[in-house]
Amino acid sequence: DAKTTQPPSMDCAEGRAANLPCNHSTISGNEYVYWYRQIHSQGPQYIIHGLKNNETNEMASLIITEDRKSSTLILPHATLRDTAVYYCIVLLSSGTYKYIFGTGTRLKVLA
Amino acid sequence: DAGITQSPRHKVTETGTPVTLRCHQTENHRYMYWYRQDPGHGLRLIHYSYGVKDTDKGEVSDGYSVSRSKTEDFLLTLESATSSQTSVYFCASRQGGFLNTEAFFGQGTRLTVV
Repeated sequence: DAKTTQPPSMDCAEGRAANLPCNHSTISGNEYVYWYRQIHSQGPQYIIHGLKNNETNEMASLIITEDRKSSTLILPHATLRDTAVYYCIVLLSSGTYKYIFGTGTRLKVLA
Repeated sequence: DAGITQSPRHKVTETGTPVTLRCHQTENHRYMYWYRQDPGHGLRLIHYSYGVKDTDKGEVSDGYSVSRSKTEDFLLTLESATSSQTSVYFCASRQGGFLNTEAFFGQGTRLTVV
């Protein structure tokens, strides 16, 4: 099973870009990388996902390295409301599609 | 967002009693999941379902059972609750058959076993 490794915590100044890294060195060729965030004790919220190309939506950008062993989630202009725990997940392709979470990165956006 | 609701939202129960948590989704999603979240552990997968009557164990399944008799409902049962099962429980659902569909999460159930 592909595992992910993320730094436990990061700080970012409000208005600056937040760059959250994730290592997934054992990822298989057809496994997607997903990002979620959890604000306070709410249910996790989907942010973005990708396979091999960079992706962008209204919330964030996802940069996946060419060898697919790591990725970076970019919040272009972080706000205080982006303070949350961010989870990087690899969707297993074993046929049953388990979602296994790691411990995530606690991002604190500073005023 | 997908319509996914958990009930109850809060529950206090005594050690040794059975407890059932319900997850209900209105999106006809094939896959459903139960997680628990404890301080310092992130979300850990308890059980998941890949169709009606099709379920499998996750990372921390001991002491839990599940049932899925209808597409929309996924029940998590603690047969005999213990204090170690005090936690926040989240369920999730996602469309089936493709790798590129996101999961939608409920708002959680806070369970306290005293």
